[in-house]
Amino acid sequence: QKEVEQNSGPLSVPEGAIASLNCTYSDRVSQSFFWYRQYSGKSPELIMSIYSNGDKEDGRFTAQLNKASQYVSLLIRDSQPSDSATYLCAGRAGAGGFKTIFGAGTRLFVKA
Amino acid sequence: GAVVSQHPSWVICKSGTSVKIECRSLDFQATTMFWYRQFPKQSLMLMATSNEGSKATYEQGVEKDKFLINHASLTLSTLTVTSAHPEDSSFYICSARGGTGGEQYFGPGTRLTVT
Repeated sequence: QKEVEQNSGPLSVPEGAIASLNCTYSDRVSQSFFWYRQYSGKSPELIMSIYSNGDKEDGRFTAQLNKASQYVSLLIRDSQPSDSATYLCAGRAGAGGFKTIFGAGTRLFVKA
Repeated sequence: GAVVSQHPSWVICKSGTSVKIECRSLDFQATTMFWYRQFPKQSLMLMATSNEGSKATYEQGVEKDKFLINHASLTLSTLTVTSAHPEDSSFYICSARGGTGGEQYFGPGTRLTVT
């Protein structure tokens, strides 16, 4: 099993819909999780971090963490074409959670 | 969020020459900096991790003598690609982490083309 696993997509949603991005992780990955957005040709941008079970909301974004199921998700409400990008899920691994492990990313297309 | 800068944003060099890329954390002290490489349509690949004042830790398969990393201060790390070859052409991205939040921020990246 990969340490952080994501469906590569593409995930296509209509404008205004909710986009749901999912990520699972292995036992090696610790308790800190992050979602990054990467536009084509650009570097990743941190959009959410989540450290404890449950939901965390920030504007149109909601991150959800379920440690028992080793599952992290990102919901984007009222999706806009400008949300079209690759979304990277990441978690901490290694001694003391020193290293950040990235998933391969899910490509999201929001159709106008 | 915190700001990380990289310079240059793009560089073209001839095969056999060396290229230095700078990474700076502008508004926080980066205790740890990371260097990644990304080929088109592929995911980020961690090359090495460096702590200020210490030798960098390289990932398996990354040649430390080819990719020289220096983390001289809490705000500056450099990556030097020595004796560059066309297969080194890639998007190099640095990332910095510091502070109590432990969140990791990325620089804008450097696109290297070796001719």
